[in-house]
Amino acid sequence: DVKVTQSSRYLVKRTGEKVFLECVQDMDHENMFWYRQDPGLGLRLIYFSYDVKMKEKGDIPEGYSVSREKKERFSLILESASTNQTSMYLCASSFRWQETQYFGPGTRLLVL
Amino acid sequence: GENVEQHPSTLSVQEGDSAVIKCTYSDSASNYFPWYKQELGKGPQLIIDIRSNVGEKKDQRIAVTLNKTAKHFSLHITETQPEDSAVYFCAASRSGGSNYKLTFGKGTLLTVNP
Repeated sequence: DVKVTQSSRYLVKRTGEKVFLECVQDMDHENMFWYRQDPGLGLRLIYFSYDVKMKEKGDIPEGYSVSREKKERFSLILESASTNQTSMYLCASSFRWQETQYFGPGTRLLVL
Repeated sequence: GENVEQHPSTLSVQEGDSAVIKCTYSDSASNYFPWYKQELGKGPQLIIDIRSNVGEKKDQRIAVTLNKTAKHFSLHITETQPEDSAVYFCAASRSGGSNYKLTFGKGTLLTVNP
């Protein structure tokens, strides 16, 4: 079974803090994704990566950056957290394009 | 870019009834249409997908239909059960470079009443 794990289920941070969200997949998948999920807005793509050290912006990259130093690990970084980044963050991975994306359980981030 | 509209946003049915969720997409080049189910406290999970070279696909109580001319696709769940209660998301993507990324609809909260 594919497993995608996220470092935290719940996180509380202060405005201006640097926040790291970690995601690890165990199936040697090429592609990894970060989404944020907000009520009434569905899933919106923040960044994705199709290979180690390769990344592309999604639909809402502002205020975020990412890092993929190893194939199995994809990190989302909030350089200076703001209250409007309070959200559920979901990581996903897939073997190839247009194939099943496997999601982690999500990290619920609260920025105070 | 692609835009995916999903309706209804909430749907309540009695156990044993059928449920239908509809999505429309804007990019005529989109050719892959998955459906994801998200149970409370979990990440979304793929339940069925369809590619543009077929018009319908079934998997037990779940079916998806695609109308490329009208640019819409639908999820059909028959003989609903309480465990079908969840949020359902449709999505679309096209081939070619970073266009492979999925664009999701806003989701439908399905409640199946016993």
